[in-house]
Amino acid sequence: QQQVKQSPQSLIVQKGGISIINCAYENTAFDYFPWYQQFPGKGPALLIAIRPDVSEKKEGRFTISFNKSAKQFSLHIMDSQPGDSATYFCAANSGGGADGLTFGKGTHLIIQP
Amino acid sequence: DAGVTQSPTHLIKTRGQHVTLRCSPISGHKSVSWYQQVLGQGPQFIFQYYEKEERGRGNFPDRFSARQFPNYSSELNVNALLLGDSALYLCASSDLRAGETQYFGPGTRLLVL
Repeated sequence: QQQVKQSPQSLIVQKGGISIINCAYENTAFDYFPWYQQFPGKGPALLIAIRPDVSEKKEGRFTISFNKSAKQFSLHIMDSQPGDSATYFCAANSGGGADGLTFGKGTHLIIQP
Repeated sequence: DAGVTQSPTHLIKTRGQHVTLRCSPISGHKSVSWYQQVLGQGPQFIFQYYEKEERGRGNFPDRFSARQFPNYSSELNVNALLLGDSALYLCASSDLRAGETQYFGPGTRLLVL
């Protein structure tokens, strides 16, 4: 049972454009929603995270938008650069994380120069 | 400060063998979590340990076990290896006192032949 659904599976964006990745969750107990970036052969690196008490969080070129009623959240990468080409994962957990992070299946992002 | 370290980086085993993977968390972090990442998928939670006690367990068979040592480093053991155990095994550390943010190591790539 997949508790976090991520789309699209792959995405191609022109340099300077906006990359948008979406996630939807089912478990209403989730209260922490991080996004990770992973390069080939490396472990996931935390990009940005949000809690459901805010609807948006921005850090540099990365913004999370959160819609609690729809149980959806999304990552926006502004002014996308070739160095942003990687696989992006949304995740969620609840209650301090003892059950571990539940990850989406990932989005392979390619930024074309 | 050093990040999460894992050893070995790569490992080749045959079916039926046993494997031990090792992880050292970020200095000051007392919690370690293990994840399995099959190629093309998001990481899946296996275990979380905090202060040497198992705090959470994912949906993995009993062939998977782990422990945490007094210095907070951890071992993941997998018995009776199957071809399907081939994956990237990720360790994540967190300072639960400061929240549930998890920082991942580079992983151990296990190939079972």
